[in-house]
Amino acid sequence: ETGVTQSPTHLIKTRGQQVTLRCSSQSGHNTVSWYQQALGQGPQFIFQYYREEENGRGNFPPRFSGLQFPNYSSELNVNALELDDSALYLCASSLDRGWEEKLFFGSGTQLSVL
Amino acid sequence: SQQGEEDPQALSIQEGENATMNCSYKTSINNLQWYRQNSGRGLVHLILIRSNEREKHSGRLRVTLDTSKKSSSLLITASRAADTASYFCALIQGAQKLVFGQGTRLTINP
Repeated sequence: ETGVTQSPTHLIKTRGQQVTLRCSSQSGHNTVSWYQQALGQGPQFIFQYYREEENGRGNFPPRFSGLQFPNYSSELNVNALELDDSALYLCASSLDRGWEEKLFFGSGTQLSVL
Repeated sequence: SQQGEEDPQALSIQEGENATMNCSYKTSINNLQWYRQNSGRGLVHLILIRSNEREKHSGRLRVTLDTSKKSSSLLITASRAADTASYFCALIQGAQKLVFGQGTRLTINP
């Protein structure tokens, strides 16, 4: 176990709705990264937060947004859900924002959009 | 864009055999990481190898890096059923993200 927890584990939403996914980082980690993983694919980088500020973003539209809190936990918000948003959403924490740091992943939230 | 490409996409071997999977990339790197993902779960970091290193070991895992060929390989020796998983290589793209390949799905048959 990595110490990174995500909630909920599974979620079913309908198209057009909004969703919030949560992540608690490992103790001592100040950086959180979010990834989307479609079935059979590799994880795709959404964004990273370092000390409550966004520190890099992948090719995702603005309806994907995030927050990091003073205790370094994080939220991923997705507005106006589309069918293609159905995926496993992974949160990973790291000791610092440098990409040479290894990532510690949570078990993910499986989102299904109907 | 910089993204590792794993080969093969799928690999099925008998328990006890060795498994080798490869990752190729296009531009120069500072380091390359390997991760494992059990079905539907989070990824687990296995090894980070830097550009000035040629080989690293961790238990039954051996990772090599050939920067002249822009490729890395992950060898799992004496495979076990618990090694059944997907394996991903990950590279830094630009300065701001770690990019994963499509992965190799490894199946160990008893």
